[in-house]
Amino acid sequence: DGGITQSPKYLFRKEGQNVTLSCEQNLNHDAMYWYRQDPGQGLRLIYYSQIVNDFQKGDIAEGYSVSREKKESFPLTVTSAQKNPTAFYLCASSISLGAGILLNTEAFFGQGTRLTVV
Amino acid sequence: QKEVEQNSGPLSVPEGAIASLNCTYSDRGSQSFFWYRQYSGKSPELIMFIYSNGDKEDGRFTAQLNKASQYVSLLIRDSQPSDSATYLCAVKVGGYQKVTFGTGTKLQVIP
Repeated sequence: DGGITQSPKYLFRKEGQNVTLSCEQNLNHDAMYWYRQDPGQGLRLIYYSQIVNDFQKGDIAEGYSVSREKKESFPLTVTSAQKNPTAFYLCASSISLGAGILLNTEAFFGQGTRLTVV
Repeated sequence: QKEVEQNSGPLSVPEGAIASLNCTYSDRGSQSFFWYRQYSGKSPELIMFIYSNGDKEDGRFTAQLNKASQYVSLLIRDSQPSDSATYLCAVKVGGYQKVTFGTGTKLQVIP
């Protein structure tokens, strides 16, 4: 079955430690995204990638890093520079298309990783 | 000004009533609009998408888009307790892949 897989589901991090969240998709989508969601809040964009070996900062990129070495994979590293990393992290992907073509492309989401700093 | 704005709610409606959820956006270049439903602790799932002015109906759901006024709405007819969730509005500017979400509106359907 096609879909997006995030792992782990729950992650605990010690202060000052870097952690990497995994996101893999087999939908053959070009575009991938990382969002952060805090309790009672909407989704805030951390990073997104439109194509392999390219990615762009979103609205809250500080303290995070990503890589896109393969089309299927878009891991997110939460570094020690991120001062308040406890949140629900969501990875998504969508078809990447040229301007004006098939604008109704939805983003498919993984099941999320809940990160807690202990 | 936020790019995508929604009233956080909660919006409470009795079972069987029509729930009306609203969303405004700031970028006039926005071309694709999505409504996602998110249950507590779960990831969002797509309910509707719309990209032309007017109404689009799918079962109990109707999305309405008015580009001149820069708002998009979601109507849920015959609301059920299972519709109780947070509804997220998302906007994509044509030609770009950045999808921006609103903060969501929490809907409570009272039995």
